[in-house]
Amino acid sequence: SQQGEEDPQALSIQEGENATMNCSYKTSINNLQWYRQNSGRGLVHLILIRSNEREKHSGRLRVTLDTSKKSSSLLITASRAADTASYFCATDYNTDKLIFGTGTRLQVFP
Amino acid sequence: DTAVSQTPKYLVTQMGNDKSIKCEQNLGHDTMYWYKQDSKKFLKIMFSYNNKELIINETVPNRFSPKSPDKAHLNLHINSLELGDSAVYFCASSQEMRNQPQHFGDGTRLSIL
Repeated sequence: SQQGEEDPQALSIQEGENATMNCSYKTSINNLQWYRQNSGRGLVHLILIRSNEREKHSGRLRVTLDTSKKSSSLLITASRAADTASYFCATDYNTDKLIFGTGTRLQVFP
Repeated sequence: DTAVSQTPKYLVTQMGNDKSIKCEQNLGHDTMYWYKQDSKKFLKIMFSYNNKELIINETVPNRFSPKSPDKAHLNLHINSLELGDSAVYFCASSQEMRNQPQHFGDGTRLSIL
């Protein structure tokens, strides 16, 4: 299976702390994307990073990509209770489809 | 204004029945998708259409038949429902096939009794 692996599977932190999630993938990619899924809702796109990019920011989100290690990380700074959700990475493996990772469940306590 | 909308939100039915899920997007996107998310949250693509043309057809039983009457709509019909079909089905769309973010609906929760 080409499904990427994310770690940790679950993460619990206090409001104000930073949360870091990691994603590893198998072969070469055009881009890697991060999505958030709140309970009972659809996935929401957060950031797309292309294979020739190393870092991207969006508000409190920072994504890095290391193609030599086939890995990416998502950092959420100054977390809030509203950040509680599952976070998924997805890679295209140079194809027309996205393969989603196993997800990280983030719980932020007030 | 909901960008990608699916109906129904919940679907509870008996084994052996036939059911349909509808999806519409008002984003003007060319590409639409159906995904299946199982109880462990694994999300897997089933089908994709680009401008009403079937592009991706993963290893899905032929009881599942997608239909795209126009590029804003992608419906999913399921025949002879089985217990293993219980899952959340998501519709999504993107501007193009590659290197684009996907916009998801809120899912249809299908439960087979």
